[in-house]
Amino acid sequence: DTGVSQNPRHKITKRGQNVTFRCDPISEHNRLYWYRQTLGQGPEFLTYFQNEAQLEKSRLLSDRFSAERPKGSFSTLEIQRTEQGDSAMYLCASSVDSYEQYFGPGTRLTVT
Amino acid sequence: AQRVTQPEKLLSVFKGAPVELKCNYSYSGSPELFWYVQYSRQRLQLLLRHISRESIKGFTADLNKGETSFHLKKPFAQEEDSAMYYCALLYNFNKFYFGSGTKLNVKP
Repeated sequence: DTGVSQNPRHKITKRGQNVTFRCDPISEHNRLYWYRQTLGQGPEFLTYFQNEAQLEKSRLLSDRFSAERPKGSFSTLEIQRTEQGDSAMYLCASSVDSYEQYFGPGTRLTVT
Repeated sequence: AQRVTQPEKLLSVFKGAPVELKCNYSYSGSPELFWYVQYSRQRLQLLLRHISRESIKGFTADLNKGETSFHLKKPFAQEEDSAMYYCALLYNFNKFYFGSGTKLNVKP
């Protein structure tokens, strides 16, 4: 296990298209987080899963965003009808407890 | 509302000089605070957390509830400390609020 992986690493899409990102956490990590990071800012919390249950969701997350974690393993983050403001780095992290998160390399989304 | 403030975008020091990266938080409950670091072309990783009261790579951070601060300190900076540093607040056991980060540049 080489850590948290995310695919794709880069995604360029046209405004209005749907995109889906995948995160594979470290095996046996039951907690999984999604963040968004824009230039010059720290990671911004989007949502949190414990096993397959989505327990927290940021109020900043519009209805165009949806995340799933079927069977408590990998997770997907989908953005529908992308807008230019969605351009950002999307980070995934997993953990065993609340304290140490292991981050993936991120998926950089560019909406043209 | 919960908030983490890192007032300095960039901090430049010479090798061997002391370094202090500032972090202030706003939270009505009992805070749990962390410092994360991102070295060039590497992933974000945990540096230290206040509950463990440990020193990692020579860095320490003390929680000051009166001043609502959690500044990161190191007495003698090394070139390999150059990185982005993020202060983070754990809220409600599940949500992390990150500051905007401070870029530390240690000059030879």
